[in-house]
Amino acid sequence: EVQLVESGGGLVQPGRSLKLSCAASGFTFSNYGMAWVRQTPTKGLEWVASISTGGGNTYYRDSVKGRFTISRDNAKNTQYLQMDSLRSEDTATYYCARHEGPFGFFDYWGQGVMVTVSS
Amino acid sequence: EIVLTQSPTTMAASPGEKVTLTCLASSSVNYMYWYQQKSSASPKLLIYYTSILASGVPDRFSGSGSGTSYSLTISSMEAEDAAIYYCLQLTSTPPITFGSGTKLEIK
Repeated sequence: EVQLVESGGGLVQPGRSLKLSCAASGFTFSNYGMAWVRQTPTKGLEWVASISTGGGNTYYRDSVKGRFTISRDNAKNTQYLQMDSLRSEDTATYYCARHEGPFGFFDYWGQGVMVTVSS
Repeated sequence: EIVLTQSPTTMAASPGEKVTLTCLASSSVNYMYWYQQKSSASPKLLIYYTSILASGVPDRFSGSGSGTSYSLTISSMEAEDAAIYYCLQLTSTPPITFGSGTKLEIK
């Protein structure tokens, strides 16, 4: 059974950093691209970033470029999202999602982790 | 960036009623994907490559469309189908974009 379990969320002040983790199980992690998707009541679902199977290629939405870094450790079956210079508009539930194949649609999602950016 | 516009924003349907949700793309896309999200759960894949049902999805759900116009149809509404439905495009990326969702309620 495919499982994606996020951790690392919480309350953080504007300008500070936070690192999310996503532990994967139930599939060969290194065969799949991975992504982070966030959700807010006002903006709905927003793709944040994706990473290729080997980690050599990464992609970001414009609003997080230069502030967020997606990475993965295939030996640990885990992906990460390092979030720096956080802004109030980054407040959201962050989901870890698996791409179908290298960069296809999202076929499995984690349960989500809440990130609140507030002073 | 391809913008996906879903309609209606909200609707209610009676048990047994046929429901059609629409997703319009600002530019042509190759395929459309649909997700269902109930209460505070994470989104669940419903339909991929426009018309293929994901594993375990009841066959009262179907998808169709091409170019810039796509639809999700429920042939006979059931109470368990009350949820928010989102469309997704991958044709022109980055960014991957989602529609703003249709909230479907049971009457």
